[in-house]
Amino acid sequence: GAGVSQTPSNKVTEKGKYVELRCDPISGHTALYWYRQSLGQGPEFLIYFQGTGAADDSGLPNDRFFAVRPEGSVSTLKIQRTERGDSAVYLCASSPTTGLRTDTQYFGPGTRLTVL
Amino acid sequence: GQQVMQIPQYQHVQEGEDFTTYCNSSTTLSNIQWYKQRPGGHPVFLIQLVKSGEVKKQKRLTFQFGEAKKNSSLHITATQTTDVGTYFCAGNSGYALNFGKGTSLLVTP
Repeated sequence: GAGVSQTPSNKVTEKGKYVELRCDPISGHTALYWYRQSLGQGPEFLIYFQGTGAADDSGLPNDRFFAVRPEGSVSTLKIQRTERGDSAVYLCASSPTTGLRTDTQYFGPGTRLTVL
Repeated sequence: GQQVMQIPQYQHVQEGEDFTTYCNSSTTLSNIQWYKQRPGGHPVFLIQLVKSGEVKKQKRLTFQFGEAKKNSSLHITATQTTDVGTYFCAGNSGYALNFGKGTSLLVTP
């Protein structure tokens, strides 16, 4: 079946602008994660959804970052007043619903965000 | 909070040589997962280790989980050019994964 998809694949914006990044998880996966990966670093956790609710948003760096998942499937990561330091690859991952911490996470191809 | 460290940061080998990357956690891990990321790609799940002292093999790849569940290693025997990429270990921090910085492997023919 289809894997995790993310759109757009690339996004270039200007400092101060608002951006939305979209994630389509694997069908049937109720757990969804957002990570951010800077060059030369491992993915850094941002937020975790179980169904429609954000179960853990402790990784969001500040209140400019917000994510939603209104119907428990597609999720949108929203960044307000973008800064150059927000430039990174934003990765989405999903996992099946077992509620176990040992669930495998399946990553999407990512959205490369560049803030000029 | 939990910190996961990997060494070396980079490794350059000739095709056919062996390769090992090491992962150390500041806290005891419930499990550890390994991912591979090809250049320009996204992390792809390789394996998960759960039990103390566990050893798992996937063809030329051998994964180990330490007895104290604070360290792990990935060993590749007789590397091939298809092994090129960055190998990450990750421990669970809640339901999220806490990744190391990865070891980038370059294999020259």
